[in-house]
Amino acid sequence: AQSVAQPEDQVNVAEGNPLTVKCTYSVSGNPYLFWYVQYPNRGLQFLLKYITGDNLVKGSYGFEAEFNKSQTSFHLKKPSALVSDSALYFCAVRDGYGGATNKLIFGTGTLLAVQP
Amino acid sequence: DGGITQSPKYLFRKEGQNVTLSCEQNLNHDAMYWYRQDPGQGLRLIYYSQIVNDFQKGDIAEGYSVSREKKESFPLTVTSAQKNPTAFYLCASRGDRGLYSQPQHFGDGTRLSIL
Repeated sequence: AQSVAQPEDQVNVAEGNPLTVKCTYSVSGNPYLFWYVQYPNRGLQFLLKYITGDNLVKGSYGFEAEFNKSQTSFHLKKPSALVSDSALYFCAVRDGYGGATNKLIFGTGTLLAVQP
Repeated sequence: DGGITQSPKYLFRKEGQNVTLSCEQNLNHDAMYWYRQDPGQGLRLIYYSQIVNDFQKGDIAEGYSVSREKKESFPLTVTSAQKNPTAFYLCASRGDRGLYSQPQHFGDGTRLSIL
């Protein structure tokens, strides 16, 4: 069965420092991996995805993520955090062999808090 | 601007009452989804629809119902059988039914509470 784990409920980082939000996954085929961000009382906004190709994926707002097949991880990174990056971050996975449904499995979310 | 509109933003339900949450999209997307979000649990799939007049149960469909009579609209009814309806409900859509790598686009949610 597909699953996604975000091991940290909260990540604290000082503004200007690099940030990492961790995600590991389990799927039966090749994974389609996504990162979303959610601000309070809003929907999810798409940040980036990995489908195939280069293991380092660049996305919106200066975020990037590194796909590591051997470690089944897809960690979200940013070289220099901003206070405005403070939000809830979700990792999601779809099994590449999952058929026609395109159901996504979401992690439980990681709250990123950037201190000024 | 194209997007997904959910209404109302806040909704209150009385005991024994059915309530309907609206979701409308003008993105010309085939697939639409309903999720429930509870603190610390991430998003859980309630129902999804890949095409007009067709829909399937997700992981937590009990106590909910949907319809898909138009491509643009995918309303969710929370019935009185759903004993714990208090949550944040998110609607999403995805285009290009054959391209499963496309991300889902989300509305801004409806927060449902019990009176």
